[in-house]
Amino acid sequence: QTVVTQEPSFSVSPGGTVTLTCGLSSGSVSTRHYPSWYQQTPGQAPRTLIYSTDSRSSGVPDRFSGSILGNKAALTITGAQADDESDYYCVLYLGSGSVVFGGGTKLTVL
Amino acid sequence: EVQLVQSGAEVKKPGESLRISCKGTGYSFTSYWISWVRQTPGKGLEWMGRIDPSDSYSPSFQGHVTISADKSISTAYLQWSSLQASDSATYYCARQTYNYYYLDVWGKGTTVTVSS
Repeated sequence: QTVVTQEPSFSVSPGGTVTLTCGLSSGSVSTRHYPSWYQQTPGQAPRTLIYSTDSRSSGVPDRFSGSILGNKAALTITGAQADDESDYYCVLYLGSGSVVFGGGTKLTVL
Repeated sequence: EVQLVQSGAEVKKPGESLRISCKGTGYSFTSYWISWVRQTPGKGLEWMGRIDPSDSYSPSFQGHVTISADKSISTAYLQWSSLQASDSATYYCARQTYNYYYLDVWGKGTTVTVSS
């Protein structure tokens, strides 16, 4: 079974930069996995941030960026703000229309 | 405006049946897949599967639930014939593109509580 790994938690100072990663239990993440990233605050539906590795969804500020770093997908937040404190999930495409979520990263801004 | 409108919260007993819905508005319903995503309290998001509303094709859907769609009313459904306590969760429907395979529009979620 494919397992997508994310850091369980991360903290960043206001105005700082943080990079969250998304890996595979076996193998490397590539653009062929069409990595996407989602932000979720408690009690709310997820919000789409990044798709196809590095494309920002409509309305997403440019301080959110996606990339491949080494063998993982990455989400970088530049100039972190208090309201960036959320859970962040990556999703990887496995083929045949199937996707899998990572376990999520709880980001604290303090 | 593109929206996915989900049905309201449900409280059921174990063994009961249930169908929750997700109506797409503001776009061509058959031009995108619909995915269902589950979230148990305090836990992460879990992709359950997807359906193509144009032909109701739904490969390898997880668990003991059934997914269906009625393209005539732009609505997808998630259905249980016999609920279990472990089915208690919030269920999100999301529009999934079949070019970049991501979930671009989300419903607000339907919370299902199964308790005796």
